[in-house]
Amino acid sequence: DGGITQSPKYLFRKEGQNVTLSCEQNLNHDAMYWYRQDPGQGLRLIYYSQIVNDFQKGDIAEGYSVSREKKESFPLTVTSAQKNPTAFYLCASSRNEKLFFGSGTQLSVL
Amino acid sequence: QKEVEQDPGPLSVPEGAIVSLNCTYSNSAFQYFMWYRQYSRKGPELLMYTYSSGNKEDGRFTAQVDKSSKYISLFIRDSQPSDSATYLCATLRGSYIPTFGRGTSLIVHP
Repeated sequence: DGGITQSPKYLFRKEGQNVTLSCEQNLNHDAMYWYRQDPGQGLRLIYYSQIVNDFQKGDIAEGYSVSREKKESFPLTVTSAQKNPTAFYLCASSRNEKLFFGSGTQLSVL
Repeated sequence: QKEVEQDPGPLSVPEGAIVSLNCTYSNSAFQYFMWYRQYSRKGPELLMYTYSSGNKEDGRFTAQVDKSSKYISLFIRDSQPSDSATYLCATLRGSYIPTFGRGTSLIVHP
């Protein structure tokens, strides 16, 4: 089954802790994205990568970091510098301008 | 000014009604327009995709783009309770980066 897998589904972060959200795709797409969604808000772009070993900051990159060492993987780290991390995080990949999304990770602060 | 503006609703309609969902966008250079459907706490799924102006129909769904007024619409005919979801409009800005509206919450009641 082709698709995008995000894990875990739920994640809890303690103050001062870094946490990493996993995103894996087997669609052979070059471009991958991370979005943050807050209640009643649209999707805000955190980081994107259009090719392996290269990534760019989106609109709200502060407090986040990413890597793109393999085509199929684009993990997102939420660092302790992100003071308001509680949100629903969505990973996506694209082909021909069409986005395909994972099922999301809900991150909450303990 | 946000690149894509969308009324968050909620929009409540009876089953069988024709639903009209709308967005405006700021940059006349935008060419690609998409509608995504998102069920609660799930990843969005691509519903309709249009390029430039005009209409596109797929079953009960019609997407319409009016570039002269920078207005995009999604019409749903014979709406069903299963259509209850959040509908996100999106376009592609520079470097083909997707940007989203806030989403409109639709409730179709039996």
